Amino acid sequence: AQRVTQPEKLLSVFKGAPVELKCNYSYSGSPELFWYVQYSRQRLQLLLRHISRESIKGFTADLNKGETSFHLKKPFAQEEDSAMYYCALSGGGLTGGGNKLTFGTGTQLKVEL
Amino acid sequence: SQTIHQWPATLVQPVGSPLSLECTVEGTSNPNLYWYRQAAGRGLQLLFYSVGIGQISSEVPQNLSASRPQDRQFILSSKKLLLSDSGFYLCAWSVVGSDNLYFGPGTRLTVT
Repeated sequence: AQRVTQPEKLLSVFKGAPVELKCNYSYSGSPELFWYVQYSRQRLQLLLRHISRESIKGFTADLNKGETSFHLKKPFAQEEDSAMYYCALSGGGLTGGGNKLTFGTGTQLKVEL
Repeated sequence: SQTIHQWPATLVQPVGSPLSLECTVEGTSNPNLYWYRQAAGRGLQLLFYSVGIGQISSEVPQNLSASRPQDRQFILSSKKLLLSDSGFYLCAWSVVGSDNLYFGPGTRLTVT
């Protein structure tokens, strides 16, 4: 079974401080990991995926298979980063061609001035 | 461009009443469609997915059912709602084989 754990419901940081949103996963195969974000009054949307090794809005995330983690990091938090962040794991195909994403419970990031 | 619609945005229903939530996608063909539920304190739970018209797969046993009468229409239903059906329901679509899900605005369901 695949599982995603986000231990923090709420993370509050000051503007300019570093941010790290924790995500741990459990999966027996080779996972693909993602971060989704939901800004206030907007829809849930993809932020980044580990396979792309990209930086989006200053955020990066490295897959650590040894620690089964995929923490989301940003060196300097901005006020506009305040949002709900979900870590997700794609562990296998669904019958017929879909992909099953397993989401964590989410972490609300609040950036204070 | 592609868009996804869900309605209603908010719904309050008594226990034992029926349910019908609708989701439609525009601007794409043959999408994968998904229904997720977010209950308080829990993550997004995949309820149903569909890879084509009339093809529905259920991820968890429950009081709900789904149907896909047209290529870009996905309906979530129940004959008799339970209190435990309360939650935030999200419809999503993706290109076949993609992990990039595009979510709708969601429906807040409260069963009283």
